[in-house]
Amino acid sequence: GAGVSQSPSNKVTEKGKDVELRCDPISGHTALYWYRQSLGQGLEFLIYFQGNSAPDKSGLPSDRFSAERTGGSVSTLTIQRTQQEDSAVYLCASSLDRGQATGELFFGEGSRLTVL
Amino acid sequence: AQKVTQAQTEISVVEKEDVTLDCVYETRDTTYYLFWYKQPPSGELVFLIRRNSFDEQNEISGRYSWNFQKSTSSFNFTITASQVVDSAVYFCALSEAGYSTLTFGKGTMLLVSP
Repeated sequence: GAGVSQSPSNKVTEKGKDVELRCDPISGHTALYWYRQSLGQGLEFLIYFQGNSAPDKSGLPSDRFSAERTGGSVSTLTIQRTQQEDSAVYLCASSLDRGQATGELFFGEGSRLTVL
Repeated sequence: AQKVTQAQTEISVVEKEDVTLDCVYETRDTTYYLFWYKQPPSGELVFLIRRNSFDEQNEISGRYSWNFQKSTSSFNFTITASQVVDSAVYFCALSEAGYSTLTFGKGTMLLVSP
């Protein structure tokens, strides 16, 4: 597709289960970001991938969160042993370059995670 | 540390009214970038504008205009003659040179009624 694709769009899980969220960036975009949007909290940076460089994981809230990007394209965000406070919308974005130079990030519609 | 404050949580206006969304930022860098994004009900954030710290010239794009004032660390966004389609959450964001991430404010929800 032409835009950033995320799946699933909605995920309901039980506390303690693991979840995987997928992001398919725009073809050719070398930079990929994950953000978390909680109610009333704005967007919280989680992790950033740029080409073959080591990812910037400085925003991951705990070691239960991890992400990988295979082949410089698709990315998967994994949350292990989910907690209720993990409930949020997880947004993925991609850009042509480092992103911060232009700031024009292209966002997906997000994956809404609900932990019961 | 960088910080973005959008003090207005929610604004309601009637169509054709002008509305200004406030954004105040904090940074210790002299080189930085400011942005506005729009998030309609569909959830997908859309880039509106980028400004670098060396360019304080105000910008107008159709009904949208932006007022960047370094003296008050503000980057306000005005919609003239608002329309129902302008209803969305608007985010202001900041990035510092050399950093790869954007710091977003908490957003302002704009509701334009017919």
